[in-house]
Amino acid sequence: DQQVKQNSPSLSVQEGRISILNCDYTNSMFDYFLWYKKYPAEGPTFLISISSIKDKNEDGRFTVFLNKSAKHLSLHIVPSQPGDSAVYFCAASGTEGSQGNLIFGKGTKLSVKP
Amino acid sequence: NAGVMQNPRHLVRRRGQEARLRCSPMKGHSHVYWYRQLPEEGLKFMVYLQKENIIDESGMPKERFSAEFPKEGPSILRIQQVVRGDSAAYFCASSPQQGETQYFGPGTRLLVL
Repeated sequence: DQQVKQNSPSLSVQEGRISILNCDYTNSMFDYFLWYKKYPAEGPTFLISISSIKDKNEDGRFTVFLNKSAKHLSLHIVPSQPGDSAVYFCAASGTEGSQGNLIFGKGTKLSVKP
Repeated sequence: NAGVMQNPRHLVRRRGQEARLRCSPMKGHSHVYWYRQLPEEGLKFMVYLQKENIIDESGMPKERFSAEFPKEGPSILRIQQVVRGDSAAYFCASSPQQGETQYFGPGTRLLVL
C-alpha cells in the first residue's frame, strides 16, 4: 500500500514551457516533503522541500506547492530546460525533526524537448 | 568538497556469496541512511544509523542483512548468502543532524547471478 503516489510515470514538455509534477500522499502524519531529481546511474539530488506549515516554497525556477486538505503537492519548473530531463521523486517524512525514514514515490520521468 | 561516497559502484555476486557495500558520508555528517531501489520502483528505506548506533532498522529484512557505522571508517551494509531478489541499486544518504536534508551517494548496483 503506497503512502506516496506519483501517478504519472512520465511527462513530456517543450523547452521554455512549465513542467508540473504531481504527488499525492495518504498519511496525514506526514509533515515534511521533499523533491529529488535523479539522472540514470547517479544518486538522487535534493531539489527543494516544504514543511506542512507552508503552502508554497520557491527556489529559482523550482516551486513546490502543498495542499494539505487534498494531501497533494506539486513541483513546478519554469521555464523548463533540456537539462531538467530526469526522473523526479517525491518523498515524505513524519516530522521535520525526525527525517530518518523518507517514504518515496515511484518517480516521474520528465523529458524536456528542445 | 566531496559528497557522499559509495563503493563499489557495481558489484556482481553469485547466489550464496556475501556482498559488502560501503558508504562514506559527507564531511561533517554523522547520520547515515541506506535505501534500496528495485527496478521501476521508488527508493525504499532500509536503515538509519548514527556513529556506532542503529537508530531505526524498520526497513531491513530480518535475515541476511546487517548494517554498521563504526566510530572510524565508512558505514557498511552487509548482505549474506545473496539471492537473485537482492539485485537492486543500494543508495546511501547522509545528513549533519537528524531531521536535516539527506544527501545521496551515487549508489551501488548489485547484480546477483
